[in-house]
Formats: sequence, structure tokens, C-alpha cells
Amino acid sequence: ETTVTQSPASLSMAVGEKVSISCKTSTDIDDDMNWYQQKSGEAPKLLISEGNTLRPGVPSRFSSSGYGTDFVFTINNVLLGDEGIYYCQQSDNVPLTFGAGTKLELK
Amino acid sequence: QVQLQQSGAELTKPGSSVKISCKASGYTFTSYDISWIKQRPGQALEWIGAINPGSGGTGYNEKFKGKATLTVDKSSSTAFMQLSSLTPEDTAVYYCAVENSGSFDYWGQGVMVTVSS
Repeated sequence: ETTVTQSPASLSMAVGEKVSISCKTSTDIDDDMNWYQQKSGEAPKLLISEGNTLRPGVPSRFSSSGYGTDFVFTINNVLLGDEGIYYCQQSDNVPLTFGAGTKLELK
Repeated sequence: QVQLQQSGAELTKPGSSVKISCKASGYTFTSYDISWIKQRPGQALEWIGAINPGSGGTGYNEKFKGKATLTVDKSSSTAFMQLSSLTPEDTAVYYCAVENSGSFDYWGQGVMVTVSS
């Protein structure tokens, strides 16, 4: 099973700052990493899929990079509406596994 | 547009079973697998397993074998998950999701299952 280690567990940022979230996997997963946003009381929403592909309708402020075992998710110019919990998830092998999440709060 | 409508909240007793549903619309039901994902209060997400609605073929996370059983009814475009021998550790929100090459593109609204005596 591929373990996904996500950091940090929480972030407190000011509007306009840059957010970076890291996910490291215990096995080489090529670029089979996905990123989700979960707002309070809602289901997760897919933002970026394998190959660092931004999903339709997702602002270009969101991006990701990485290959192999190290991945980074970035939000440029963070906005109040970006508050929530962000999860990474590997789709290279089963069982599909998630990181523990990063809670983003805006000051 | 793609929609997954899940059944309502469940309050059940330890040792019992529960079956929750996920009705799909807005796409060809047999074109994509349906996955089920568990989220305990304040916790991260766990993949339970997936079912191919066309063939009925299933794949499970080893952790949930014997706990979860996935089925579909093609005639109503509905997926089901039965959870058996419930314990308080099964208290969670359970989501269904359309799976596309391992990513979860669309999600249901979630079903809260509470196991309490």
C-alpha cells in the first residue's frame, strides 16, 4: 500500500499570499497525484487530476507539480473563499490512498 | 450535469447492517466505476472500494473486505453499499463518487451513518 504523507497539517495565511502544500508518497507513483478541496459541510471537489491537470472551471491560481514521490500543490494569491481542507490522493495503485489533509485558514 | 444523489442519514445499533444508495444521473451509468469513500468525523478520507456498473465487478480495500459489499442496479442507475456487523468505529460520512482513472471526479453529498446503542 502506498502511504501518502501530507504537510503541513494546517496553515494560516493572509489574503494574497502564496500557499504551498507538500505530499510525499512511499512508492514511485509517476504523476498519478490528485488534489481536492473540501469546504466545511461539503463533499470534496477535484481541483487537479493526474499529470498536474487543472480541472475545467478551476481557477488558474491553483496548480501542482511533482513526479515520482514528491509533489507540491500551490495556490497563488489566496482568497477568502479558498478556506477549507485540501487533500492529495494517489491513483497509481490500489488501495487508492489519501493524505491526511491540510486545513487552510485565512487571517 | 453529473449528479450523485445519496440516501438519507442512518442511525443504527451495534451489530446491525445498513444499506445506503447512490443514484446517478447526467451521464451513462455504465461508463465509469463508482467508488465509495469513508470519512470519520474530523478525519481524512479512506477508499473503501469500487464497482464497475457495467459488469458488476468489484475491487475492495483489504481493510474493508467483509465489512462493505458493493452492488448496482443498472435499471435505476443506482449503486449500493451494505455495511455489516456495525461498530461505533463505522460511524462516519460515506460518499459515493464517479471514478475516472483513479481520480474522483464527481461526489455525492454524503450519508452520515451513526452507530450507537
